[in-house]
Amino acid sequence: GAVVSQHPSWVICKSGTSVKIECRSLDFQATTMFWYRQFPKQSLMLMATSNEGSKATYEQGVEKDKFLINHASLTLSTLTVTSAHPEDSSFYICSAPGLADIYEQYFGPGTRLTVT
Amino acid sequence: GQNIDQPTEMTATEGAIVQINCTYQTSGFNGLFWYQQHAGEAPTFLSYNVLDGLEEKGRFSSFLSRSKGYSYLLLKELQMKDSASYLCAVLDSNYQLIWGAGTKLIIKP
Repeated sequence: GAVVSQHPSWVICKSGTSVKIECRSLDFQATTMFWYRQFPKQSLMLMATSNEGSKATYEQGVEKDKFLINHASLTLSTLTVTSAHPEDSSFYICSAPGLADIYEQYFGPGTRLTVT
Repeated sequence: GQNIDQPTEMTATEGAIVQINCTYQTSGFNGLFWYQQHAGEAPTFLSYNVLDGLEEKGRFSSFLSRSKGYSYLLLKELQMKDSASYLCAVLDSNYQLIWGAGTKLIIKP
């Protein structure tokens, strides 16, 4: 089946620094990838849709200058949290649509970000 | 607006059966998904319904009624490892996934 990996799985950074999270599709090509954020005991919140070779589409209320998305190849999308603050601490998950017609989403294992 | 409702938390006993309901109001419908998410992990796919009726897959079954905007996930022969959150998500007319808040299922011995 389709496998999506994320790196790192967890990261601790200081307030004001930037953090890059990678999302890779390991055995299939993904022209589209989705980035989600999930706070404790809450559901997934779509942040942006990453499109290979073009600009990402951000959801309302998500600052595109703060959450930089780069989809440089058909197997890699990166999310950079710039000038991180403690309120950015969250679980960040990427996903890619599967190859079947049902548009199933394959999720990466997630990245736990803690900003101190 | 678009809305998906599911209970916040449910408790069931090991070996029993539990039904988790999901109601939705979305702009268009291209299918409904159920995902399982253990704490601190990413969601994993359980089922997909696009036509009315019951889809059975081992101990898990999922039902859909499009006219009622309603689905349920049925878990049989509950095991302790089934303790997790269960997320209902609808694919709308723009093929965007709309997520419910999830139902935390607690299994007691």
